[in-house]
Amino acid sequence: DTAVSQTPKYLVTQMGNDKSIKCEQNLGHDTMYWYKQDSKKFLKIMFSYNNKELIINETVPNRFSPKSPDKAHLNLHINSLELGDSAVYFCASSRYGGGEQYFGPGTRLTVT
Amino acid sequence: DQQVKQNSPSLSVQEGRISILNCDYTNSMFDYFLWYKKYPAEGPTFLISISSIKDKNEDGRFTVFLNKSAKHLSLHIVPSQPGDSAVYFCAASAIYTGTASKLTFGTGTRLQVTL
Repeated sequence: DTAVSQTPKYLVTQMGNDKSIKCEQNLGHDTMYWYKQDSKKFLKIMFSYNNKELIINETVPNRFSPKSPDKAHLNLHINSLELGDSAVYFCASSRYGGGEQYFGPGTRLTVT
Repeated sequence: DQQVKQNSPSLSVQEGRISILNCDYTNSMFDYFLWYKKYPAEGPTFLISISSIKDKNEDGRFTVFLNKSAKHLSLHIVPSQPGDSAVYFCAASAIYTGTASKLTFGTGTRLQVTL
């Protein structure tokens, strides 16, 4: 059983398009996160939701909009994709704020 | 400003020997530290963590040491096995709220365990 899953695993799209990445966790955790790993391999947090409420919102272009329909799901919608959005996006979850976070397999987004 | 640094991008160790991965941090507010292991095309996998109130935590072959005064932590793997070959990320957090924390990651160290 996959604990944190993401779809799709690979996403290739053109500049200007709008795309979504979906994330689901079956761990019963209350908190979910989105991280971005850029070409230099830096993993940086983008957003965090706790039980559908936005908790962390880092300095991310407002073209990125997370949506949490319930505490087991956190989706990431990206409008007007740019070349610089090419990266691997990881979803993660944790039981509570201070504990370890469990990561999904990642979605490699390539914008051409 | 990189608050968590892993200064060794790669490390090669013989099977059966000890692997020591190092991590330095600058933010005094960090109070929880984690190590993650990552294989290619997979997400980071949690390995072991340590709270700032401790200086050592052990789990099987993995031991993490924390030196708060030096703002330094290390991961020891003994004995090293070929399956340990992966990229290891150090991460640190300060409690952001009671409901979420922001992990700040280092850039990773690629460990290769040779036969």
